[in-house]
Amino acid sequence: AQTVTQSQPEMSVQEAETVTLSCTYDTSESDYYLFWYKQPPSRQMILVIRQEAYKQQNATENRFSVNFQKAAKSFSLKISDSQLGDAAMYFCAWQADDKIIFGKGTRLHILP
Amino acid sequence: GAVVSQHPSWVICKSGTSVKIECRSLDFQATTMFWYRQFPKQSLMLMATSNEGSKATYEQGVEKDKFLINHASLTLSTLTVTSAHPEDSSFYICSARGTGAKTRRYGYTFGSGTRLTVV
Repeated sequence: AQTVTQSQPEMSVQEAETVTLSCTYDTSESDYYLFWYKQPPSRQMILVIRQEAYKQQNATENRFSVNFQKAAKSFSLKISDSQLGDAAMYFCAWQADDKIIFGKGTRLHILP
Repeated sequence: GAVVSQHPSWVICKSGTSVKIECRSLDFQATTMFWYRQFPKQSLMLMATSNEGSKATYEQGVEKDKFLINHASLTLSTLTVTSAHPEDSSFYICSARGTGAKTRRYGYTFGSGTRLTVV
């Protein structure tokens, strides 16, 4: 069975600094996608970034980038130049076919 | 982008009544829709997957007769909580997947969620 583990329930970072959120997963599938979703207090799930497992190049979206280590089954999210609006719950997710598994989430606090 | 509208955003109902939640894909055809339940400060738990025109596939432990899912068109799926009880109070979120360029670009798109309170 597939699992997604986020080992950091909460993290804090100073505004304008960089923070890395950890995610590990377990799967026997060879073709899958990985996602990071942001859920602010409004509870709307917002796609932050996604990575296709077959791509070796790490995905980037402006201030957000991932470190995808397929062999280690690790998929961390780096947020650069943290902003107050980045405060939210962040969920790592694994997906293959139509099955999505979410991690338990990391609550990110931004300190002004 | 790909937009999914979920309605209502919140609802309060009396114990024993039924509540219907709608999930609509506004600018793409949603071949598959998903329904999640989220308890406070917890992750999303998949309840069921529905494909247009066919019966929903429920996850283990989810009562089919209590949580009725209908996906009658490529743009609309509904979740009906029947004979609601206080323990059904939760946050329900839908997501949709289509085919074509928008799915390749945006993947799975989520609705804004429905907060259900059963009193």
